[in-house]
Amino acid sequence: EVQLLESGGGLVQPGGSLRLSCAASGLTFSSHAMTWVRQAPGKGLEWVSGISGSGDITYYADSVKGRFTISRDNSKNTQYLQMNSLRVEDTALYYCAKGLRLGFDPWGQGTLVTVSS
Amino acid sequence: QSALTQPPSASGSPGQSVTISCTGTSSDVGGYNYVSWYQQHPGKAPKLMISEVSKRPSGVPDRFSGSKSGNTASLTVSGLQAEDEADYYCSSFAGSNTVVFGGGTKLTVL
Repeated sequence: EVQLLESGGGLVQPGGSLRLSCAASGLTFSSHAMTWVRQAPGKGLEWVSGISGSGDITYYADSVKGRFTISRDNSKNTQYLQMNSLRVEDTALYYCAKGLRLGFDPWGQGTLVTVSS
Repeated sequence: QSALTQPPSASGSPGQSVTISCTGTSSDVGGYNYVSWYQQHPGKAPKLMISEVSKRPSGVPDRFSGSKSGNTASLTVSGLQAEDEADYYCSSFAGSNTVVFGGGTKLTVL
């Protein structure tokens, strides 16, 4: 069974930085593209970023381009999301998920990022 | 990267069928057969229900089906059950390896 476990969320001031991690188990990690999706409180889902299995190709939503960086360490079965220049509107539950083009399955339980002064 | 359009709410009685639409453009829904549907219960992570327009992952009841015509995709839930009450989101590949979601539809089982 594939399991994804996010960590690294927390409270940060506007303009600050945070790094999220997603540890994966139960799969050949390097064979799969991975994705970050976020959900602001009481709002819908928003795709944030994706990365190829090898890690050499990355993709970003316009809303985070230039501020967020996705990466992965296939030796540790872990992907990351480095978030810089955080804004109040980045406040959300951040989900890690397996896949990209063909759909996201499964999803982790999410890690909460709160940007507030 | 504009969001796909879904009705905010839908409803049906147990045993009935309900269809949720998801409208995009020729740059996303209409341009690729990469539409997915997700079910999200309150406080839970989303769950993939349909991928590639109409494919059901293992374990998803065959009461759930997907289709697409032009720039609009649809999710149909047949034989509604109480546990189907949830939020449903569509998503589509949108080129340049980006993905766009719909705004979500709250399905109520009356």
